[in-house]
Amino acid sequence: SQKIEQNSEALNIQEGKTATLTCNYTNYSPAYLQWYRQDPGRGPVFLLLIRENEKEKRKERLKVTFDTTLKQSLFHITASQPADSATYLCALDIRSGGGADGLTFGKGTHLIIQP
Amino acid sequence: NAGVTQTPKFQVLKTGQSMTLQCAQDMNHEYMSWYRQDPGMGLRLIHYSVGAGITDQGEVPNGYNVSRSTTEDFPLRLLSAAPSQTSVYFCASSYFGRRVSSGANVLTFGAGSRLTVL
Repeated sequence: SQKIEQNSEALNIQEGKTATLTCNYTNYSPAYLQWYRQDPGRGPVFLLLIRENEKEKRKERLKVTFDTTLKQSLFHITASQPADSATYLCALDIRSGGGADGLTFGKGTHLIIQP
Repeated sequence: NAGVTQTPKFQVLKTGQSMTLQCAQDMNHEYMSWYRQDPGMGLRLIHYSVGAGITDQGEVPNGYNVSRSTTEDFPLRLLSAAPSQTSVYFCASSYFGRRVSSGANVLTFGAGSRLTVL
């Protein structure tokens, strides 16, 4: 069966350190992999995407890597701040027949940045 | 621009009642979708639409109906609510659709509608 796995337990990181979140998947061949942030009581907000032929993408303090051989993406937040505390969702953009069926989401990792 | 607007934000229903969750977007997005989010289950796709007049089923469509008569609106109907439909529902839209069929499907989400079925 197809599956997406993210760290199920909360990740506690000290302020200023780099937070690294993992997204592993099986039995998918995504065209794109996206990362979203979700705050309590709100909808997810898009952060970054990476294409299947890209290894790494950066945006300010955020970095995403994508290894299609390992079927894994890593999401890094450098110089972390308490305001980065949130749940981070990994989403696979899978195409069948060239259409946009929708994104398939992981369950998310709850990140806590401690001052 | 308001983005994606969902109403109501909260709703309590009794088993067997029907209701419609409203979703409207003002970004001229062709693609619209409904997800439900449950603890320990993550976001699951219910129905989606790639343009007015076109809808399709996602991962968990049973018990829900949708229609897309305009580009802006994509209502989700519960015909006979069940306790298993207690959840937080999110509407999301993107530029991806019939006119734009390449590139990433980057979603803009609404704030969510929390539904409790007793």
